[in-house]
Amino acid sequence: SQQGEEDPQALSIQEGENATMNCSYKTSINNLQWYRQNSGRGLVHLILIRSNEREKHSGRLRVTLDTSKKSSSLLITASRAADTASYFCATAPYSSASKIIFGSGTRLSIRP
Amino acid sequence: DTAVSQTPKYLVTQMGNDKSIKCEQNLGHDTMYWYKQDSKKFLKIMFSYNNKELIINETVPNRFSPKSPDKAHLNLHINSLELGDSAVYFCASSQVGSDNEQYFGPGTRLTVT
Repeated sequence: SQQGEEDPQALSIQEGENATMNCSYKTSINNLQWYRQNSGRGLVHLILIRSNEREKHSGRLRVTLDTSKKSSSLLITASRAADTASYFCATAPYSSASKIIFGSGTRLSIRP
Repeated sequence: DTAVSQTPKYLVTQMGNDKSIKCEQNLGHDTMYWYKQDSKKFLKIMFSYNNKELIINETVPNRFSPKSPDKAHLNLHINSLELGDSAVYFCASSQVGSDNEQYFGPGTRLTVT
């Protein structure tokens, strides 16, 4: 089954608001990554957080990781229309260094 | 200067046919992957090669055969196509020691009729 499950499946917010997406996973990990996929395009890497880190920032992105709860969140602040996309978390399992496993994704829509 | 490229972008074919998708990366990465994304956007790894050597082979029908002529190329050949093979196929690459940060190609939308 999926390593990562994301919540919510879909999110629609007003431009300028903050968007929060959550990811839960099942096994021990080396790191957790977030990717964005615009419609009809490939995935683009956004940010990576290692298992010994709790929070990381990159521009308007803030990622948290709670390994005790096996969960992560992605916060996008001051959303823009261009943020409309699907967002995926991906975990690098401790047991398998060669692969990452993607969650089910959150479809984010930003209303102008 | 496309980092990871795939051809073709769209592929429409009939059941029973054999088709190939090509992938090339110019990032100098050692590892390449094939993923399948279904209609619900669920993305699942199929294969991974490291320096032309197969390192990941998930539960994929043996109608699917990857081939890596060199570390910059990973092609996917599919025999006897079935309706259920319709999906978007993504190639990706990563560099050893980069925490497996992956760079994706634009995808190939395969439609089997």
